[in-house]
Amino acid sequence: DIQMTQSPSSLSASVGDRVTITCRASQSISNYLNWYQQKPGKAPKLLIYTASSLQSGVPSRFSGSGSGTDFTLTISSLQPEDFATYSCQQSYSTPLTFGGGTKVEIK
Amino acid sequence: EVHLVESGGGLVKPGGSLRLSCAASGFTFSSYSMNWVRQAPGKGLEWVSSISSSSSYIYYADSVKGRFTISRDNAKDSLYLQMNSLRAEDTAVYYCARDPHSSSYHYMDVWGKGTTVTVSS
Repeated sequence: DIQMTQSPSSLSASVGDRVTITCRASQSISNYLNWYQQKPGKAPKLLIYTASSLQSGVPSRFSGSGSGTDFTLTISSLQPEDFATYSCQQSYSTPLTFGGGTKVEIK
Repeated sequence: EVHLVESGGGLVKPGGSLRLSCAASGFTFSSYSMNWVRQAPGKGLEWVSSISSSSSYIYYADSVKGRFTISRDNAKDSLYLQMNSLRAEDTAVYYCARDPHSSSYHYMDVWGKGTTVTVSS
């Protein structure tokens, strides 16, 4: 199974900050990497697919990059509605696996 | 508008069974692969199972293989998850999610609100 490791597991940031979340795969997954946002009590929401493609309707302050084993999700200017948990997910092979999540909290 | 609505969750004793349903609307259900993903209380997301548009390809997580069965009825725009031999560790919110996969790339672009399964005596 491909293990997905996110860092940090949590972070505190202020509105307007640039935030970067890292996801590392235990083996190369090319660009088969997706990012989701989840708010408490809500379903996950797709932000980025194939490592860098922005899902329709998602603000352009969100961006993704990386290939192989190392990936990043960047929020260029954190907004109040962005405080949530972010999870990466590989779709290179089954079982599909998610990272443990990164909780972005208000500083 | 595209919607997925899960149902069928509840409280069940260890060893019991439950059948989850996911009703789709607003899109051509028969054209999409579908997934079940779960989230235990306070934990991260865990993929459970996937089924291709025509049910030709089915995959399971090792944690549920042999106990859970995914199926779909394209005539009814519905996805199902039959869960047998339930264990306490199956306690979670279960989400159905659509996979619009483009060529070999798979992702989950539409999610239901989830249904809660609690396994406890």
